[in-house]
Amino acid sequence: DADVTQTPRNRITKTGKRIMLECSQTKGHDRMYWYRQDPGLGLRLIYYSFDVKDINKGEISDGYSVSRQAQAKFSLSLESAIPNQTALYFCATSDRPGRTDTQYFGPGTRLTVL
Amino acid sequence: KNQVEQSPQSLIILEGKNCTLQCNYTVSPFSNLRWYKQDTGRGPVSLTIMTFSENTKSNGRYTATLDADTKQSSLHITASQLSDSASYICVVSLYGNKLVFGAGTILRVKS
Repeated sequence: DADVTQTPRNRITKTGKRIMLECSQTKGHDRMYWYRQDPGLGLRLIYYSFDVKDINKGEISDGYSVSRQAQAKFSLSLESAIPNQTALYFCATSDRPGRTDTQYFGPGTRLTVL
Repeated sequence: KNQVEQSPQSLIILEGKNCTLQCNYTVSPFSNLRWYKQDTGRGPVSLTIMTFSENTKSNGRYTATLDADTKQSSLHITASQLSDSASYICVVSLYGNKLVFGAGTILRVKS
């Protein structure tokens, strides 16, 4: 996962604050994704982007927004953080789809909203 | 109800022993099924990928099987090592590049 980096790795914030999580990749992949992981639940897709001009909502996009600044960069924003957004957030990338395309995950950002 | 169910939720085994993790899914059709390993504090890393027409795939001491008729997959770990301690996640990939994740099985290997 050194090819996919996330900053910050840990963040504690207060309710109502605006937060930005950043993701960069050196794999040269077109596709990028943001997921959140909660204890006892599978990863859930927040937003995804298939190229710089493409943004798509995932299954849990409410309360989040994204920006694809370049092929290598994909940022996730929480406009007004709330406690139930406390979770582990992962960025992932994948190449153009084939029969067995794989997603490569970053190391994660642990976000706590007080 | 989760479309990808994994069992057990957690498992403790002794170093050197074998174990099998289970994944039952209801989603279909799907393009492939993957198993990921997630070490504590790290992102998931792909272990095996099987298309719907494949029955088995190995990666070293890891062997995944797929039964499309019963909609079940298993991950068998042979001769476990301490470094196998992790969460193992079953992921079904639908057509259109949508992934459905299981909640994972937490494996702890102790000496």
